[in-house]
Amino acid sequence: GAVVSQHPSRVICKSGTSVKIECRSLDFQATTMFWYRQFPKQSLMLMATSNEGSKATYEQGVEKDKFLINHASLTLSTLTVTSAHPEDSSFYICSARDPAEGGNNEQFFGPGTRLTVL
Amino acid sequence: AQKITQTQPGMFVQEKEAVTLDCTYDTSDPSYGLFWYKQPSSGEMIFLIYQGSYDQQNATEGRYSLNFQKARKSANLVISASQLGDSAMYFCAMRFSGGYNKLIFGAGTRLAVHP
Repeated sequence: GAVVSQHPSRVICKSGTSVKIECRSLDFQATTMFWYRQFPKQSLMLMATSNEGSKATYEQGVEKDKFLINHASLTLSTLTVTSAHPEDSSFYICSARDPAEGGNNEQFFGPGTRLTVL
Repeated sequence: AQKITQTQPGMFVQEKEAVTLDCTYDTSDPSYGLFWYKQPSSGEMIFLIYQGSYDQQNATEGRYSLNFQKARKSANLVISASQLGDSAMYFCAMRFSGGYNKLIFGAGTRLAVHP
């Protein structure tokens, strides 16, 4: 199956700083990528849909000014957590769909980024 | 509104036995897809199996099978011959047409396989 990478895998930052997380599709072009957040022992919550060449679509309740998403190319989407606070500490996972894959439209997930804000 | 429900927060099974993880869904969309993912402690999401709303037969992938009952809006995952490595969180998810095919996830079921 297709491969999606995330960088960094783990980041610790001070409160008030900004953190950028990269999501890359390694062997396919992804016009659409998705960003999820997962708190400990909870499910994945979709934050936003990242569209190449256009603005991201945010889910209700997600602050677009706090979670900046840029889908600059067909293989890269970035999530920037601006002015991070301890309550932003979470596991962030991206996924991408390979449009060339027919059938089930499976989403391929990155390995996730664990963010800890001190 | 679309909704996925997993009512079993935790399940345990004896090694080599079969186990069923429950999933019910709600949607008014005639076209949708149902997925099961496994998430071990490492955090990666591993795709297990997919069922399309128009598929006539239940999906199977190795030891995984999906008991799809459309009228009941249920899509239970059956794992046969459980192995110790099956211990993980399991999430049911639904993709519905429109909205760039985004997925919504159930709360998850933690499966523990005992030797």
